[in-house]
Amino acid sequence: KAGVTQTPRYLIKTRGQQVTLSCSPISGHRSVSWYQQTPGQGLQFLFEYFSETQRNKGNFPGRFSGRQFSNSRSEMNVSTLELGDSALYLCASSLAQAFGELFFGEGSRLTVL
Amino acid sequence: DAKTTQPNSMESNEEEPVHLPCNHSTISGTDYIHWYRQLPSQGPEYVIHGLTSNVNNRMASLAIAEDRKSSTLILHRATLRDAAVYYCILRDREGGSEKLVFGKGTKLTVNP
Repeated sequence: KAGVTQTPRYLIKTRGQQVTLSCSPISGHRSVSWYQQTPGQGLQFLFEYFSETQRNKGNFPGRFSGRQFSNSRSEMNVSTLELGDSALYLCASSLAQAFGELFFGEGSRLTVL
Repeated sequence: DAKTTQPNSMESNEEEPVHLPCNHSTISGTDYIHWYRQLPSQGPEYVIHGLTSNVNNRMASLAIAEDRKSSTLILHRATLRDAAVYYCILRDREGGSEKLVFGKGTKLTVNP
């Protein structure tokens, strides 16, 4: 069974640009959640989607947004990038519960210059 | 937000038990306690979770204090593959919404 796939794995952007990251969950998993990991702040929860609806949300500004498609694939978007947005963005999927056993992808590493 | 506090690092020898502590003194009655671990260059991996009672699975045991203000992840026999950063996480429910609140994690070193 294929794991959680995140693309791209690495990307470099400049301040003010926007970025879209993609996450394909494990087949049959309907919940997808996103996390930001930085050396200073550690792991922080961004948001969680289920059945194309944002079900839970962390404490991030509106520049961070996401969506989920009917096949459960999810994307997250960060607009007007800031240097502090440089981070590893992790996606996780689970069967249905928001925070049951989560299966994480390897992450997308974003560098903002 | 509920918070968790973990030691920055711990060291163990192979084949010995490891007890990883976590303090969560502001935990609410509905917060679940989750543990994940992260190996270098990988995403986190689920270890175990619980609410009130002690929990066991093939990977580890979770001992939860009676007042729920602390918990301990127990690896019964550490192996070199257990070297990772271990995160104690609360599933925080507030106003009908849930979120995960991560601690800073404990880096576990396992010596051969």
